[in-house]
Amino acid sequence: GIQVEQSPPDLILQEGANSTLRCNFSDSVNNLQWFHQNPWGQLINLFYIPSGTKQNGRLSATTVATERYSLLYISSSQTTDSGVYFCAVSASNTGKLIFGQGTTLQVKP
Amino acid sequence: DAGVIQSPRHEVTEMGQEVTLRCKPISGHDYLFWYRQTMMRGLELLIYFNNNVPIDDSGMPEDRFSAKMPNASFSTLKIQPSEPRDSAVYFCASSPRTSGGGELFFGEGSRLTVL
Repeated sequence: GIQVEQSPPDLILQEGANSTLRCNFSDSVNNLQWFHQNPWGQLINLFYIPSGTKQNGRLSATTVATERYSLLYISSSQTTDSGVYFCAVSASNTGKLIFGQGTTLQVKP
Repeated sequence: DAGVIQSPRHEVTEMGQEVTLRCKPISGHDYLFWYRQTMMRGLELLIYFNNNVPIDDSGMPEDRFSAKMPNASFSTLKIQPSEPRDSAVYFCASSPRTSGGGELFFGEGSRLTVL
């Protein structure tokens, strides 16, 4: 099955700093999503981005499907950005999303 | 619109007891998924349904686990008998897609502790 690798596994930032999270996948995909799991355990949709670039406030994401990777950019990080960021992909028409292991982000005040 | 609704939010039970987790997907969504999250294994897909029909249950760990979707607005995940290693957060998610990839929306999860 498709493999999803996220990097870095852990990241510590000072408030206000920028960061880039990466997601590599092993096969062609027709679905890619980024999620943020907050400290309370909720999985929040950030982007549905099988290809192209999207922006939402301080966050943006780019997926280069032909090169099998996606990037999540966080600018001017805030303490509320802390948590785990997951990339999930589906390589078929089933919508069967396979999750990476996540990047744990800690933003310090 | 209401999101995916799961119950109970927390469940503590003793080994050997039956556990039933419930999920109401977002109205109009065709797909429903059950995931399990643990520290060791991360987020794993257990089973998913399309139009109330189970499509892929290859992630269900063993026969003690079963899932049903009697109608478009309700699904259950049952563990009988429960074991301590079943302790995890169980998420339900739904998707509006009918072809190709579609956006997945998660409930808040049910945290299960089996003593």
